Amino acid sequence: NAGVTQTPKFRILKIGQSMTLQCTQDMNHNYMYWYRQDPGMGLKLIYYSVGAGITDKGEVPNGYNVSRSTTEDFPLRLELAAPSQTSVYFCASTRGEGFGELFFGEGSRLTVL
Amino acid sequence: DQQVKQNSPSLSVQEGRISILNCDYTNSMFDYFLWYKKYPAEGPTFLISISSIKDKNEDGRFTVFLNKSAKHLSLHIVPSQPGDSAVYFCAARPNNNDMRFGAGTRLTVKP
Repeated sequence: NAGVTQTPKFRILKIGQSMTLQCTQDMNHNYMYWYRQDPGMGLKLIYYSVGAGITDKGEVPNGYNVSRSTTEDFPLRLELAAPSQTSVYFCASTRGEGFGELFFGEGSRLTVL
Repeated sequence: DQQVKQNSPSLSVQEGRISILNCDYTNSMFDYFLWYKKYPAEGPTFLISISSIKDKNEDGRFTVFLNKSAKHLSLHIVPSQPGDSAVYFCAARPNNNDMRFGAGTRLTVKP
């Protein structure tokens, strides 16, 4: 059982470049989330989705976009990368309504130079 | 604003002793609290949770205590084992679609 899978694990971007962080889960979870973790800080919610076709902003959505065309996939798009987006990104999912136990991916470390 | 605070960035304990990790929160609307454990190069994994209607929840070596009047929760690990060495995150839920995390406490259990 793969759980939550994120790709890529590492990426270096130049300022102004664009990229997509992929996230897929095989647990048939309705709720999916994207967090970022900066050094010495907790995880901050970027975007979340409560089901296919439905997305909403979290605490720090600026500079990001998401889509949810299927239950399994929840990609995170960075359109114009900035050094402030250097971080570790975690995708997570949960089965039930709202928050209960979150299942996290292994993380994607992004560096913007 | 940091609504969930873990004021100790690190904690070191001897194997077999008790580990106590602390967490404070500011939002009285939080109704559900969780602890996650994170090893290097892995995502956080759920450890234990507690609802605001309870003051204690126990699961094996792990116990979470909630003091609502003080807006404080703690995680007790007894006895501590070297494999418990990890970063522990406290998290709190203000509503069904959001969750706030603390900055984490790095626990080192020495053999």
